[in-house]
Amino acid sequence: QVQLQESGPGLVKPSETLSLTCTVSGGSISSYYWSWIRQPPGKGLEWIGYIYYTGSTNYNPSLKSRVTISRDTSKNQFSLKLNSVTAADTAVYYCARIEAARRYFEYWGQGTLVTVSS
Amino acid sequence: EIVLTQSPGTLSLSPGERATLSCRASPSVSSTYLAWYQQKPGQAPRLLIYGASSRATGIPDRFSGSGSGTDFTLTISRLEPEDFAVYYCQQYDSSPPYTFGQGTKLEIK
Repeated sequence: QVQLQESGPGLVKPSETLSLTCTVSGGSISSYYWSWIRQPPGKGLEWIGYIYYTGSTNYNPSLKSRVTISRDTSKNQFSLKLNSVTAADTAVYYCARIEAARRYFEYWGQGTLVTVSS
Repeated sequence: EIVLTQSPGTLSLSPGERATLSCRASPSVSSTYLAWYQQKPGQAPRLLIYGASSRATGIPDRFSGSGSGTDFTLTISRLEPEDFAVYYCQQYDSSPPYTFGQGTKLEIK
């Protein structure tokens, strides 16, 4: 069974960089698409971006200028960096695996709350 | 960009009743790439339906999906207490690849 676990600081200051890591167990990141999704408190889901096992990436145009997703195959992890954060970036951040053919989010991490505040 | 609009925003029903949740796409979406998720408070979303009508592994058969083009429906035939949650539809397309509906909250009447 594939399991995903987010980790990283729960508090980030405005204008700084949010950095999160997703550790995958029960499967290799050297296949499939791997994604980040976020959910502001009390609101809906927003797709941030994904990285393919080849290393290619695709980002939400609304966040593209501030987002980088990378991977470390030796650690079976992938990561999210979001720079120049504001209070609007406060959210629960989820990592997820995308099923390749039908492109749905098949497995999810439990999510981690990141608060942007000074 | 494909916009998904879910209705109603909140649905109040009693256990044992039938629930019908709508997801309208503009412009149209391939049914191959339409999915539904259930989210309970404090939990990650859980995949229910993919390909508009295929149940994910372990999902009870009281959940069913249907539709094509611009109109999709999630039906829960007979509500159990554990079904009261928020439901999201999601589509995959070209740019941006992924969008979600705003959600329907299914609450106990």
